[in-house]
Amino acid sequence: DAGVIQSPRHEVTEMGQEVTLRCKPISGHDYLFWYRQTMMRGLELLIYFNNNVPIDDSGMPEDRFSAKMPNASFSTLKIQPSEPRDSAVYFCASSMTGLSHEQYFGPGTRLTVT
Amino acid sequence: TQLLEQSPQFLSIQEGENLTVYCNSSSVFSSLQWYRQEPGEGPVLLVTVVTGGEVKKLKRLTFQFGDARKDSSLHITAAQPGDTGLYLCAGLRRAGNQFYFGTGTSLTVIP
Repeated sequence: DAGVIQSPRHEVTEMGQEVTLRCKPISGHDYLFWYRQTMMRGLELLIYFNNNVPIDDSGMPEDRFSAKMPNASFSTLKIQPSEPRDSAVYFCASSMTGLSHEQYFGPGTRLTVT
Repeated sequence: TQLLEQSPQFLSIQEGENLTVYCNSSSVFSSLQWYRQEPGEGPVLLVTVVTGGEVKKLKRLTFQFGDARKDSSLHITAAQPGDTGLYLCAGLRRAGNQFYFGTGTSLTVIP
């Protein structure tokens, strides 16, 4: 079975531009998580969904960040406008209810904002 | 302050040595997991522990969940270069049913 799929793998953009990151979770998983990882702050949970509904978005840094999950097989994380401090690796992960939230991570998107 | 604190933050050892990584919290967790992350990749789940005092072994890796379910340890016997990576603990906190990742331990095993 395919794991969690993320695209793009790398994104370089200029400050002020809109960035959209995409994620396809593992089929049958009902939880989806978005994380950001930096050297300074480690792995931070941004938002997570259960059955396509956002449950906790308290980790979203500010209004420039938004996430959607229109169906069980697709989610997006959008940054508008992007800033250099948003540079990080963004991970998507999915899990299934009843498994202690054992999460399966995608390969990540490395975002560089210049 | 992070809910799950790991120590040490960095560890560099020679091949063949033993090591222990700790994951501590003041909160009680329903379950706790350990992940390993290699450069350029996402974290990969190693093990989940759910019962206080539980010990699980995965080849040369031994995982223990504290009796009070507030801490965990990862012990590696005879470390190998292939063990190099970032080790992350993560847990489902009982109160609030929220999930947290630890601060991470970066391990380098020198051949």
